Amino acid sequence: QVQLVESGGGLVKPGGSLRLSCAASGFSLSDHYMGWVRQAPGKGLEWVSSLSSTTNYPNYADSVKGRFTIFRDNAKNSLYLEMNSLRPEDSAVYYCARDKREKNHIYYMDVWGKGTTVTVSS
Amino acid sequence: EIVLTQSPGTLSLSPGESATLSCRASQTVSSSFLAWYQHKPGQAPRLLIYGASSRATGVPDRFTGSGSGSGTDFTLTISRLEPEDFAVYYCQQFGTSRYIFGRGTKLEI
Repeated sequence: QVQLVESGGGLVKPGGSLRLSCAASGFSLSDHYMGWVRQAPGKGLEWVSSLSSTTNYPNYADSVKGRFTIFRDNAKNSLYLEMNSLRPEDSAVYYCARDKREKNHIYYMDVWGKGTTVTVSS
Repeated sequence: EIVLTQSPGTLSLSPGESATLSCRASQTVSSSFLAWYQHKPGQAPRLLIYGASSRATGVPDRFTGSGSGSGTDFTLTISRLEPEDFAVYYCQQFGTSRYIFGRGTKLEI
């Protein structure tokens, strides 16, 4: 069964750091682009970052660029999001998603985890 | 940067009725990059439609996406609403190495 399970969320003070993990099962994470999407309380979905399957080249939303780092461990079939210099506005449920990019240039996110909650507060 | 405007913000309907959700892009976009998602509280978002009109695996044919080629207007139609259809729906577009989501339409009973 294809599945993504996030972990690592929690309460952190402004300026602090946190690492989120996403364990994949039922497919090889290394064969796919992968991404993170977040939802702040009372807000909609916001794309955070995606990581290429072939080049490992990352892309980031402007709101997190320079503070967040996306990377993967193929041996553990896991995706990570290292979050530094956290701000209260980073508080959100963070979802891991498989970022499907078909050869005919059809792009979408087809498998999602249930999310992990990050709260940035003093 | 592309902005996706979804309307209405909230849609109040009854089971058995049909829903029409709109997603308008601030500039011409490719339908290849247009997807729709359903999101319920406490659950993972669910892919419904990709490539503007292709249904994802397991999605009932009551869900129909329209809009083809390049354009600015895309629609998600849900016919014969079931109780489990009441949720928030998002459209998503890929552009300039990033994904953009609309603000969502809440479909409520």
